[in-house]
Amino acid sequence: TQLLEQSPQFLSIQEGENLTVYCNSSSVFSSLQWYRQEPGEGPVLLVTVVTGGEVKKLKRLTFQFGDARKDSSLHITAAQPGDTGLYLCAGGLGGNEKLTFGTGTRLTIIP
Amino acid sequence: DADVTQTPRNRITKTGKRIMLECSQTKGHDRMYWYRQDPGLGLRLIYYSFDVKDINKGEISDGYSVSRQAQAKFSLSLESAIPNQTALYFCATSGRGALYNEQFFGPGTRLTVL
Repeated sequence: TQLLEQSPQFLSIQEGENLTVYCNSSSVFSSLQWYRQEPGEGPVLLVTVVTGGEVKKLKRLTFQFGDARKDSSLHITAAQPGDTGLYLCAGGLGGNEKLTFGTGTRLTIIP
Repeated sequence: DADVTQTPRNRITKTGKRIMLECSQTKGHDRMYWYRQDPGLGLRLIYYSFDVKDINKGEISDGYSVSRQAQAKFSLSLESAIPNQTALYFCATSGRGALYNEQFFGPGTRLTVL
């Protein structure tokens, strides 16, 4: 069973600060997805990274896939209250159609 | 209108009762999934289906069953609910052409078993 550990589990910071959350595994994945989930809603896909070392930017969010495709990070610059939510990473194994989801980081941005 | 809908949104039931959670989608996707979410455990896959005649067990299928009545509908049943099945349940879909199985989720059903 592939496991994805996310850290930290909880993070609470002031508006305007920068932060990084991590997604780590001992397994190699062919792709890594990040989702954000707000209270009362289902997760929504933010990005997919597929190449080792790949960096993708989505406005103030920067996603990186590790060189060995075992880990990923999400960096948020100048956090805003609208960034509050549960961030989930999910790894895919290519021919295997299922996704393995991480344990999640619950982020709170304090105005 | 939402592309993936789930009914009911909230349900409280008693131990031993049979419960059905329903999922419908208008995205035209072939693949549908049922997940369970518990605090600190992320999303765990219960069952998935790639088309109407295809049903597959996920990592935590014991105590659950599913039915894929049509391409657009996928229901999850708890034959005899127990308290440790109290959780958030999510339905998700994915298109056949999705390169990396990117998924679209419904709003979830909060189930409480007393």
